[in-house]
Amino acid sequence: AQSVTQLGSHVSVSEGALVLLRCNYSSSVPPYLFWYVQYPNQGLQLLLKYTTGATLVKGINGFEAEFKKSETSFHLTKPSAHMSDAAEYFCAVSEMNTGFQKLVFGTGTRLLVSP
Amino acid sequence: DTGVSQNPRHKITKRGQNVTFRCDPISEHNRLYWYRQTLGQGPEFLTYFQNEAQLEKSRLLSDRFSAERPKGSFSTLEIQRTEQGDSAMYLCASSLEQTRSPLHFGNGTRLTVT
Repeated sequence: AQSVTQLGSHVSVSEGALVLLRCNYSSSVPPYLFWYVQYPNQGLQLLLKYTTGATLVKGINGFEAEFKKSETSFHLTKPSAHMSDAAEYFCAVSEMNTGFQKLVFGTGTRLLVSP
Repeated sequence: DTGVSQNPRHKITKRGQNVTFRCDPISEHNRLYWYRQTLGQGPEFLTYFQNEAQLEKSRLLSDRFSAERPKGSFSTLEIQRTEQGDSAMYLCASSLEQTRSPLHFGNGTRLTVT
């Protein structure tokens, strides 16, 4: 069975600082990996995804993530935080044979950005 | 692309009552998904449809839950005899049929059972 662990339910950074949100996954088959963002009282928006190929993937709003198979990790980073980045971030995994759609989510990390 | 629309946005109901939620997917999307998100947790898969066929149901979907997509367009999720544990955000998503087509989520229906 697949699973996702997000370390840290809350992460606080100052505006302009590096953002690092951690995600480790467990999957018995090659995974697809995703990061979604959720703003209050809204649905989830896809930030980026890893399928195959290049292990460093770039997403929207300046975010990127690196797939490290040896570490079973898919950490999300952004060089410089903006106030508008404050939201909840979810890492998710799916199996290649089920595609992008039956997702297993982590418990989320709330990013707080202070001025 | 008007996005995935869910109604109502909020529903407060008393324990034991029945509730029904509606989801209108993006028009050209033939796959539709329901997920449930409880407070402090990530979304959990409940069920999905391809056109009008319900192809998979999670074990989370008890007998009190029923989902339909009668004409392959909008979908409804009904919960009978609601319990306090049903309080959650119910998220609908849609996608194209291809397995590598990403999900587009609606803004959800927040259910509170008192």
